[in-house]
This record gives sequence, C-alpha cells and structure tokens, in this order.
Amino acid sequence: GAVVSQHPSWVICKSGTSVKIECRSLDFQATTMFWYRQFPKQSLMLMATSNEGSKATYEQGVEKDKFLINHASLTLSTLTVTSAHPEDSSFYICTAWDSTTNEQYFGPGTRLTVT
Amino acid sequence: QKEVEQDPGPLSVPEGAIVSLNCTYSNSAFQYFMWYRQYSRKGPELLMYTYSSGNKEDGRFTAQVDKSSKYISLFIRDSQPSDSATYLCAMSASGGATNKLIFGTGTLLAVQP
Repeated sequence: GAVVSQHPSWVICKSGTSVKIECRSLDFQATTMFWYRQFPKQSLMLMATSNEGSKATYEQGVEKDKFLINHASLTLSTLTVTSAHPEDSSFYICTAWDSTTNEQYFGPGTRLTVT
Repeated sequence: QKEVEQDPGPLSVPEGAIVSLNCTYSNSAFQYFMWYRQYSRKGPELLMYTYSSGNKEDGRFTAQVDKSSKYISLFIRDSQPSDSATYLCAMSASGGATNKLIFGTGTLLAVQP
C-alpha cells in the first residue's frame, strides 16, 4: 500500500517555541491531506484539511493562526504549532488521499510534548 | 451527543475467541464506514472499508453495517495475541478528496495467550 511518512516522530519543546511537523506521501501524489490530533484515550479529531496550492480549511474551534498549515507540493504538507503550550501536547497524525485508489493513508504520527 | 459512540473497553479475551466490536452513530448522512487498527504509539491502519449497508469479509475479519439501526460491527474470528491493539471505527458522508472522517474513541482489545 501507499506510504505516508511524518517527521519528526517525537519532539519535545519548551513552552512558547514553535514546532514544525512534516507529512510526506512517498509513492503517490496527494492533492489533499488531513491533519488530526489525538489526545490520550480520546478519538482522533480532525483539525484541518490541507489542499495543495491553496489555503487550508480549519475545523471549528481550531485556531488557524496557531496551527499553520502549508501544502506547497503534491507530496508535502507541514503543520507548524506556533507558541506551543503544554495543552498542545498531543499525538498529531496526518493522512494523505490517493486519488488513484480513492483511499486515505495515515502517517505514523508525531508525538509532541511541550514542557 | 457525540456523532459516533464506541465503548472504550478495555476488552480482554482468550486466544481463539471471537471478538465483537461495535459503534453507533447519529448522522444518517454517513455512507462510508471503516475500521482501523492502531498499535500503541503508531498511526492507524485501515482494516475494513464498507460502503452503505451490508457485510464484508476479509480473512478473519467481518464488518457489518446496519444503517437502519445506525450500528456497525467488526468481528474477529480466531483472535490472536497479535490482534491486541486499539480498534477505531470511522465514518464519513462522502468519499474521495472530501472524505472527512469522524472517529469513535476506539476500543482497546487485549488477546491473552
């Protein structure tokens, strides 16, 4: 099946700093990628839909100025958590949609810990 | 009320048992139903994908969708310790690039050898 990678897999940062997470589709082009967040023992919650070459669409309650999304190419979307706080500590997962198979493929996730 | 309800478990069964995992939902617009398996500290992987009502079988796994009751199930036959993971149901109203998934909370399954 198609492969989606995320980098880094685990990051620890200090409160107030910014962190960038990359999501790459390795063997297919993805015009659409999705960013999810998963808190411990909770479900995955969609944060935003990232479309190549256009602005991301954010879900209600997600601050677009805090979670900056850039989808500059057909194989790369980035999520930047700006001015991170401990409550932003979570598991961030991206998915990429493959138009040839009509399936979404999940990345392995990035665990963010803000101290 | 959450759009998708799933019993978080944990569910502990002996090896070889038949496992039944379930989700209920409230949005009648959901047409696409999926089950994902997630190992600890890993991203989810797709197990089963069903469109509309009916049954789908793949090896030891069977997915059932009852749209009239807004109820979906995943059955695992001859469960193995390697099946121990969190199982997430997910659903969406549309396919393709607008496939925004709504997830259940996940059920933690432990298969005891």
